[in-house]
Amino acid sequence: KAGVTQTPRYLIKTRGQQVTLSCSPISGHRSVSWYQQTPGQGLQFLFEYFSETQRNKGNFPGRFSGRQFSNSRSEMNVSTLELGDSALYLCASSLGQEGNSPLHFGNGTRLTVT
Amino acid sequence: QKEVEQNSGPLSVPEGAIASLNCTYSDRGSQSFFWYRQYSGKSPELIMFIYSNGDKEDGRFTAQLNKASQYVSLLIRDSQPSDSATYLCAVNGPGRRALTFGSGTRLQVQP
Repeated sequence: KAGVTQTPRYLIKTRGQQVTLSCSPISGHRSVSWYQQTPGQGLQFLFEYFSETQRNKGNFPGRFSGRQFSNSRSEMNVSTLELGDSALYLCASSLGQEGNSPLHFGNGTRLTVT
Repeated sequence: QKEVEQNSGPLSVPEGAIASLNCTYSDRGSQSFFWYRQYSGKSPELIMFIYSNGDKEDGRFTAQLNKASQYVSLLIRDSQPSDSATYLCAVNGPGRRALTFGSGTRLQVQP
């Protein structure tokens, strides 16, 4: 079974621009979660989508948004990029039983904002 | 107090030894506990999960959960240099928005 696929793997953007990241979950997984990982803050939860609905949301500003499509694929968008948005963005999928399902991570998208 | 706490390390053990990684959590209602391994520059990889008090073994790995003391540990037997990585503890339970991760313990296995 194919794993979680994230595209692109690397991105370089300029401050003020916006970016869209894509995630395809493991087949059969209906939940997709997004995390930001930085050396200083570790893994920080952004949001989770289940059946096209945002089920949970972390403490990030509104510049961070996402959506999920009917085939469970998900996208994350960051608008008005700031230097501090430079990070590894990780998508993870799970079967969806809230709280109990293990997350399976993709390879991540490394975003650099200059 | 952080929700999930881990010693950042590095924890250095000789090849063939047992590595013991510990994690404490603050929410007594937590029900699901996960261990992930992350190699430098890579994404986290699920090693084990445990839901009930006691031990759970999978190959060279054993997860131990003590809900009364609010800690979960991971033992790696016969440690290999390829086990050198950062190990992340993650916790979830009722009322939580999502899996909460500790900051990770860096393990170094010396050949």
